[in-house]
Amino acid sequence: EVQLVESGGGLVQPGRSLRLSCAASGFTFDDYAIHWVRQAPGKGLEWVSGISWNSVSIGYADSVKGRFTISRDNAKNSLYLQMNSLRAEDTAFYYCAKDPMGVRAGYFHHWGQGTLVTVSS
Amino acid sequence: DIQMTQSPSSLSASVGDRVTITCRASQSITTYLNWYQQKPGKAPKLLIHGASNLQSGVPSRFSGSGSGTDFTLTISSLQPEDYATYYCQQSYNITLTFGQGTKVEIK
Repeated sequence: EVQLVESGGGLVQPGRSLRLSCAASGFTFDDYAIHWVRQAPGKGLEWVSGISWNSVSIGYADSVKGRFTISRDNAKNSLYLQMNSLRAEDTAFYYCAKDPMGVRAGYFHHWGQGTLVTVSS
Repeated sequence: DIQMTQSPSSLSASVGDRVTITCRASQSITTYLNWYQQKPGKAPKLLIHGASNLQSGVPSRFSGSGSGTDFTLTISSLQPEDYATYYCQQSYNITLTFGQGTKVEIK
């Protein structure tokens, strides 16, 4: 069974940093692209970033470009999101989502349960 | 970025009703269009990919159609478990974008 478990969320002050992790199991992690998708409380879905199986192809939403960095460690079956210079508008549930292809199909057929990031002073 | 616009934003329907949700892209995305269902407090679930391909395990009452800029998600006979919010999402552009969502409520 595919499992994606996010961690690292919490309350952080504006301007500070946070690192999210996603632990994957139940599939061959290094065969697939993985993404981060976020959802502000009561709002819609927003793609944040995605990374190919070999970390060669990486993309970011304009709203986080230059502040967030996605990475993966295939040996540890883990995905990361380093979030710097956090803003109040980054407050959201952050989901780890599996792509059905290694490079990028660009849709999400398995999702984690999400981790909440709250940016507030 | 490609803008995705769903209509309506919400609708009320009864069990057994046929429900149609539309999604329009700001430019042609051929058939790179996907649909998700989200229930309160849960992660989204993939229903349809490639505009019309039913994801494994999804009931056949769900169907998708369209190409270019205009797409439709249809629920042929609404069931109690279908009350949820539905999102379209384009995968044509490297920057992926979602529609704003359509909430399907009980009439």
